[in-house]
Amino acid sequence: IVLTQFPDFQSVTPKEKVTITCRASQSIGNNLHWYQKRPDQSPKLLIKYASQSISGVPSRFSGSGSGTDFTLSINNLEAEDAATYYCFQSSNLPLAFGGGTKVEIK
Amino acid sequence: EVKLVESGGAVVQPGGSLRLSCAASDFPFDAFAMHWVRQAPGKSLEWLSLIIWDGGSSYYADSVQGRFIISRDNSRNILYLQMNSLRPEDTGLYYCAKDTSRSSFYYIDVWGRGTTVIVSS
Repeated sequence: IVLTQFPDFQSVTPKEKVTITCRASQSIGNNLHWYQKRPDQSPKLLIKYASQSISGVPSRFSGSGSGTDFTLSINNLEAEDAATYYCFQSSNLPLAFGGGTKVEIK
Repeated sequence: EVKLVESGGAVVQPGGSLRLSCAASDFPFDAFAMHWVRQAPGKSLEWLSLIIWDGGSSYYADSVQGRFIISRDNSRNILYLQMNSLRPEDTGLYYCAKDTSRSSFYYIDVWGRGTTVIVSS
């Protein structure tokens, strides 16, 4: 299964909304998870099973989708959200990450 | 606090071997499947391998199948990655990561800080 993320890069101003799409090459149900990776830090789990929130993650992060099309939304963007965001599928082996979407804060 | 600490990264020549270790603490290591994930410079995250709780099953990405071997020592709470026939494209930061499943694969909830492998002559 190949995960295609778009856009590759997005430059946004604080308080704007960011939408990142992850498309799977075949249906993966809701077995899609989102991670945030800041430079020089380990990845951090943001959303599990497409839309389930994670304790401690700000509520401005939300996910949706099922099957082949998934979306990560970041509302009211903050400076600390500058990072690269990755989707990850755990439906079928081999497990796989998307190519990443880098979010830059203007 | 759940902790994963990788070690063993080094500079190695093409064709060489290396063994990475990941020391786990503050959680029941033998209750969870574990992963190795890497990130080459300027590239995306790449899933490499998974081993279930007792080491009874393991899985690999095509890119490392036949060259890398994942294993674990539950008595010492250590995860390993034996890397053979290394290639320049194996260069990267290698992460140890914990799954939330015991005998399958659900999602990764904890990551180490990584250890760097450089394959170069």
